[in-house]
Amino acid sequence: AQTVTQSQPEMSVQEAETVTLSCTYDTSESDYYLFWYKQPPSRQMILVIRQEAYKQQNATENRFSVNFQKAAKSFSLKISDSQLGDAAMYFCAYRSLFNSGTASKLTFGTGTRLQVTL
Amino acid sequence: DTGVSQNPRHKITKRGQNVTFRCDPISEHNRLYWYRQTLGQGPEFLTYFQNEAQLEKSRLLSDRFSAERPKGSFSTLEIQRTEQGDSAMYLCAAGSITGGLRSPLHFGNGTRLTVT
Repeated sequence: AQTVTQSQPEMSVQEAETVTLSCTYDTSESDYYLFWYKQPPSRQMILVIRQEAYKQQNATENRFSVNFQKAAKSFSLKISDSQLGDAAMYFCAYRSLFNSGTASKLTFGTGTRLQVTL
Repeated sequence: DTGVSQNPRHKITKRGQNVTFRCDPISEHNRLYWYRQTLGQGPEFLTYFQNEAQLEKSRLLSDRFSAERPKGSFSTLEIQRTEQGDSAMYLCAAGSITGGLRSPLHFGNGTRLTVT
């Protein structure tokens, strides 16, 4: 079974600065998807960025980018020019490409709470 | 708006009572998942529907839990004889089979259950 580990329970960043959230995962599969989701206090989980394991190029979405190290099984999220609205819980998630049971469910880490200060 | 609605937002119940939650995805969402999230943890998978068929259930889903998705539209999650350990946020996520596994899952706001 796959596992996802987020070792930083809380992080803090000043507005306009850059912060990196860490995520490692364990899998024996060669192809999979990795995601970062954001969960603001309003609770609705929002997709931030997605990485396909077979792609070597790191995904980028505006101020959000990832550092995907497949051999190290590491998938960190970098937020540049942090804004107050970035304050939230951030979850790293893994999705298998192999349809075991056809669910192809997301496996989440325990999350990192990001605080953004003035 | 992700197109996934959950009701109620909050539910407080006494131990031993039955509760039912509802999830309404948009019509294009033929995949539907239920997750449970306890404080300080990430969401944990409970069950999966593809259209109206329940194709996978987690070992977390004890026999007190039942989920349905009649006609492949809305879904309900019922917990019978609630226990204090059932207190959690229950999240519904939905997505489309079109586009394969690359298609994102869209989450609802969740239902927070408190069992007293």
